[in-house]
Amino acid sequence: QKEVEQNSGPLSVPEGAIASLNCTYSDRGSQSFFWYRQYSGKSPELIMFIYSNGDKEDGRFTAQLNKASQYVSLLIRDSQPSDSATYLCAVNGPYGNKLVFGAGTILRVKS
Amino acid sequence: DAGVTQSPTHLIKTRGQQVTLRCSPKSGHDTVSWYQQALGQGPQFIFQYYEEEERQRGNFPDRFSGHQFPNYSSELNVNALLLGDSALYLCASSLWMGGGYNEQFFGPGTRLTVL
Repeated sequence: QKEVEQNSGPLSVPEGAIASLNCTYSDRGSQSFFWYRQYSGKSPELIMFIYSNGDKEDGRFTAQLNKASQYVSLLIRDSQPSDSATYLCAVNGPYGNKLVFGAGTILRVKS
Repeated sequence: DAGVTQSPTHLIKTRGQQVTLRCSPKSGHDTVSWYQQALGQGPQFIFQYYEEEERQRGNFPDRFSGHQFPNYSSELNVNALLLGDSALYLCASSLWMGGGYNEQFFGPGTRLTVL
């Protein structure tokens, strides 16, 4: 079982729609959760982080965490073509500071 | 406020050679982590440096080594290069915090090609 799993996609949504990206993790001791956006040929850019169960909103982005289900998601409202990228879910465990990444979900927003 | 910088941007080496990659963390940050990202994969943790010591290491062979300098900058060295070492090497900058609540910010990366 992979430590962090994401659907590879591609996930295609029309412009203006809500994009929903999902991630599951295996280590129940994980404490912090991150979403990175990576454009083709570029490095990952941190867009959201969440530490507590529930929702966290930042502009068009909402991160949702359910530790009991070991599930974290990212919602992108009013999706724009510029949101087309690979979205990486990363998890940090209770020991040390390494991030464990999923393989990423490719998002395509069509105008 | 300078972000994370890495050099060089691109590098081409042949099998068996050695390579050194460099990273300067974001201003105010004291911890540097290195990751390897193969095409189509998520980044894989190599190791992390804080206070000039390796604090945590991922599942990478001893051919991968590093160093952190008093000014918090860091180097990643890879010896006896293999074709499979071809990847994007990412440096991430953060503040050292207990409990794992650290946000890591990536540099632009170094694209290494081994022929």
